[in-house]
Amino acid sequence: AQKVTQAQTEISVVEKEDVTLDCVYETRDTTYYLFWYKQPPSGELVFLIRRNSFDEQNEISGRYSWNFQKSTSSFNFTITASQVVDSAVYFCALSEALDFGNEKLTFGTGTRLTIIP
Amino acid sequence: GAGVSQSPRYKVAKRGQDVALRCDPISGHVSLFWYQQALGQGPEFLTYFQNEAQLDKSGLPSDRFFAERPEGSVSTLKIQRTQQEDSAVYLCASSLISGRVGEQFFGPGTRLTVL
Repeated sequence: AQKVTQAQTEISVVEKEDVTLDCVYETRDTTYYLFWYKQPPSGELVFLIRRNSFDEQNEISGRYSWNFQKSTSSFNFTITASQVVDSAVYFCALSEALDFGNEKLTFGTGTRLTIIP
Repeated sequence: GAGVSQSPRYKVAKRGQDVALRCDPISGHVSLFWYQQALGQGPEFLTYFQNEAQLDKSGLPSDRFFAERPEGSVSTLKIQRTQQEDSAVYLCASSLISGRVGEQFFGPGTRLTVL
């Protein structure tokens, strides 16, 4: 069965510092998808990125970057020059998409990130 | 148009009461998912619809939980004889394309408190 582990429960950094959120996953399938979602205090999950298992290229989007390494089953997320608005709970998630159309997500327990002004 | 909406946003129920939670997905979205998020935890899958068909209900914790999507749009999650352990945020998500692993759009959730 699939599993996602986010070992960091809470992280606090001072504004403008860089911060990396760790994500380790387990799956028996060769085709799978990894996601990061942001959950601000309002509670609504916001999609950040999707990555399939065949694409190991790292991705950068503004201050956000993602490092996908199949060899270590990790999909880490880095925020550069953090800002107070980045404060939220961040979830890593996995979908094996084994069944047609059923893209149910398995989430980690989340990392609460606090950016201190 | 608008994103996924859920109602009510907050629900307080006495133990033993039945509750119904509503989800309005984004218009035209084929796939609809329900998740349960306990305090301090990540969301956990409950059930999945493809249009009006409920194709996966493996995550429903007991037979007190029932979901429907009769016309392939609005969905209702019903919990009968609520218990304290049912207290959680119930999230609904929809996605456009069935058969491709795409972005799921989440609603704001319904926070259920069972006293």
